[in-house]
Amino acid sequence: AQSVAQPEDQVNVAEGNPLTVKCTYSVSGNPYLFWYVQYPNRGLQFLLKYITGDNLVKGSYGFEAEFNKSQTSFHLKKPSALVSDSALYFCAVRGAWQGGKLIFGQGTELSVKP
Amino acid sequence: EAGVTQFPSHSVIEKGQTVTLRCDPISGHDNLYWYRRVMGKEIKFLLHFVKESKQDESGMPNNRFLAERTGGTYSTLKVQPAELEDSGVYFCASSLGTSATYEQYFGPGTRLTVT
Repeated sequence: AQSVAQPEDQVNVAEGNPLTVKCTYSVSGNPYLFWYVQYPNRGLQFLLKYITGDNLVKGSYGFEAEFNKSQTSFHLKKPSALVSDSALYFCAVRGAWQGGKLIFGQGTELSVKP
Repeated sequence: EAGVTQFPSHSVIEKGQTVTLRCDPISGHDNLYWYRRVMGKEIKFLLHFVKESKQDESGMPNNRFLAERTGGTYSTLKVQPAELEDSGVYFCASSLGTSATYEQYFGPGTRLTVT
């Protein structure tokens, strides 16, 4: 069965420090991987995705994620966190054969303090 | 270009009542999805329309939930009768296609509270 795990409910980071939000997945075949962000009272916004090619994917707002097939991970990273990055982050996966259905993790609350 | 819109933004109903949620996808997006997030847990897929046809309804929890997409434009999700465990945030998303090259664009969600 396909699944996504985000092992941390909350991540706390000081502004200016690097941040990492972790995600591991399980899917049959080649995975398509996504990160979405939800700001308060807003819908989910697409950040970045991995389909194929370079393992390091760059996305919106300075975020990037590294696909690691051997560790089945797709951790989200940013070199220097901003207070405005504080939000709820969701990792999602789908199999290549699965139509559009996304399987999400439970979300990680990122808090960036000044 | 207008994004995905959902109505209402919040709904509070009593157990046993009926609620209808509406989703207007981005114009031209044939693919429409419903998802739900129950208190603090993962966002779960409910179903997928391609135009007016149900492509995948494997995530629908039971027959109290009925989704429609007449004419292949907006969609409604009716819960009848509502139960306490139906409380959560219901998200709608739309996309041009099902290939992974097409992002799913999400609406702001409808927060449903069943008391």
